[in-house]
Amino acid sequence: DVKVTQSSRYLVKRTGEKVFLECVQDMDHENMFWYRQDPGLGLRLIYFSYDVKMKEKGDIPEGYSVSREKKERFSLILESASTNQTSMYLCASSRTITDTQYFGPGTRLTVL
Amino acid sequence: AQKITQTQPGMFVQEKEAVTLDCTYDTSDQSYGLFWYKQPSSGEMIFLIYQGSYDEQNATEGRYSLNFQKARKSANLVISASQLGDSAMYFCAMREGYNAGNMLTFGGGTRLMVKP
Repeated sequence: DVKVTQSSRYLVKRTGEKVFLECVQDMDHENMFWYRQDPGLGLRLIYFSYDVKMKEKGDIPEGYSVSREKKERFSLILESASTNQTSMYLCASSRTITDTQYFGPGTRLTVL
Repeated sequence: AQKITQTQPGMFVQEKEAVTLDCTYDTSDQSYGLFWYKQPSSGEMIFLIYQGSYDEQNATEGRYSLNFQKARKSANLVISASQLGDSAMYFCAMREGYNAGNMLTFGGGTRLMVKP
């Protein structure tokens, strides 16, 4: 079974704090993705990575950065959290570019 | 223009009945893939079913089937014999072409509620 885990289910941070969201997959997948999910907007892609140290911007990269130092781990970084980044964050991975994406359980981030 | 449209924000269905969740898509690519995911209240996105644009037969996975009508650009999810555990958000998504990154575009979702 594919296993994608995220470091926290719930997180509360203050405006201006630096926030790290971690995602780990155990299936040796090449591709990893970060989405945010907001009511009525579905999922929107923030960043993705198709190899170690490689990253590409998604639809809404502003205010975020990512890091992929190891194949199994993909981190999302909010350099200076803002209240409009309060959201559900979902990580996903896929074996190849055409394969199904498998998702982690999500992190609900609240920025006060 | 929205690439994936799910026109039903919420739906009720009686337990053991079948239900159809609508999804229409917009693309000019010849090669694309359509996915359905289920998201229960726990938050995890669970992959349900996949349909490739060149697949001639409608995809089926257990109680899930995808009613793929290419000319109408629709990819409706049919759940047969609904169960209480089917209550969840359902998202339709599309991957266009084979560009690097396998970027998925998601619809806004449909909340399905199964009544006992």
